[in-house]
Amino acid sequence: EAGVTQSPTHLIKTRGQQVTLRCSPISGHTSVYWYQQALGLGLQFLLWYDEGEERNRGNFPPRFSGRQFPNYSSELNVNALELEDSALYLCASSFRTSGRNEQFFGPGTRLTVL
Amino acid sequence: QKEVEQDPGPLSVPEGAIVSLNCTYSNSAFQYFMWYRQYSRKGPELLMYTYSSGNKEDGRFTAQVDKSSKYISLFIRDSQPSDSATYLCAMSKTSYDKVIFGPGTSLSVIP
Repeated sequence: EAGVTQSPTHLIKTRGQQVTLRCSPISGHTSVYWYQQALGLGLQFLLWYDEGEERNRGNFPPRFSGRQFPNYSSELNVNALELEDSALYLCASSFRTSGRNEQFFGPGTRLTVL
Repeated sequence: QKEVEQDPGPLSVPEGAIVSLNCTYSNSAFQYFMWYRQYSRKGPELLMYTYSSGNKEDGRFTAQVDKSSKYISLFIRDSQPSDSATYLCAMSKTSYDKVIFGPGTSLSVIP
């Protein structure tokens, strides 16, 4: 069974630019979560999508946004990039109605903002 | 006070040692507890999953939850160099709620 996939693997952008990160969940999983992991910091919850709807949002500014498609894949968009947005962006998926909150992570997209 | 606290380490132990990793939390509403292992520059990998209080064993790994003390632990027996990674505790209130992660403990197992 294929795991969570993310693209691209690495990305270099400059301040003020916009970026789109992509995530494909494990087959059958309906929930997608996005996290930011800055160097030396823990995972910070960004967004949770389930069945195409945004279910919860972490303490991030509105320039972080996303969406979930009918096939449950998801995009994370970051506008007006700032230097502190440099981080590993992780996507996780789970099967929400399984009764178990087990999230399975992808390898991440490493974003560097210059 | 952070919701979930974890000693960042680094923790260095000799091969074969028993490792104890711990987390404390402040919100008594947490019911689901997880441990993840993250190798450098990789995504976290789910190791253990427990619901409410008690122990769970899987091979060399044992997870303990003490809800009365708001304290969870992960024990690794017969530690191996391949166990060298960052260990993240995580928890949620319901089976579908967002998961809150601890900052992680860096572990090195020396051959």
